[in-house]
Amino acid sequence: GENVEQHPSTLSVQEGDSAVIKCTYSDSASNYFPWYKQELGKGPQLIIDIRSNVGEKKDQRIAVTLNKTAKHFSLHITETQPEDSAVYFCAASEGSYIPTFGRGTSLIVHP
Amino acid sequence: SQTIHQWPATLVQPVGSPLSLECTVEGTSNPNLYWYRQAAGRGLQLLFYSVGIGQISSEVPQNLSASRPQDRQFILSSKKLLLSDSGFYLCAWSVEGGSYEQYFGPGTRLTVT
Repeated sequence: GENVEQHPSTLSVQEGDSAVIKCTYSDSASNYFPWYKQELGKGPQLIIDIRSNVGEKKDQRIAVTLNKTAKHFSLHITETQPEDSAVYFCAASEGSYIPTFGRGTSLIVHP
Repeated sequence: SQTIHQWPATLVQPVGSPLSLECTVEGTSNPNLYWYRQAAGRGLQLLFYSVGIGQISSEVPQNLSASRPQDRQFILSSKKLLLSDSGFYLCAWSVEGGSYEQYFGPGTRLTVT
């Protein structure tokens, strides 16, 4: 089955800095890679996703890159703000199969 | 637009008591439905998923069970709670036929005392 590793487990940055969270996956058949943001006490919210036919996708201050050869993908947040503080999860799935989630990264943005 | 509801939001139950958590989805038909548990503020553990009424797949052996009595209703139950059942329970849905783009509910915080 699929195995997703996510690093780092905790990331602390100053407001305005960039933050990068990295994930690797094991199943070369995986073709869908979402990222979720979970604020304290709430359910995860899908913030951006990428499919295997695309190498990069951007949405305002967030971007995701995918390297299929190396089987890793990353979340990039620029100009971080205190409201970006949350736990971020990556996931990988193939078509209709259940996604496999990473263990999460706690991002702390200091004002 | 689609909306997912979970209740109750918080629950404190004694060991050995029964459990019933409910999840409903609005604005879509025949969704795939999922129950996850999140312990210690991290890690999403898939418990059950359903692709249709009465169709339940279990991912982890445990004293929990799930049922789908209606198309957009998913229930998580237990006859006797254990201390280890404490956690944050999340329901999610995705469109029929695929697990792309899962959407999560607000969650239920369960504390077993």
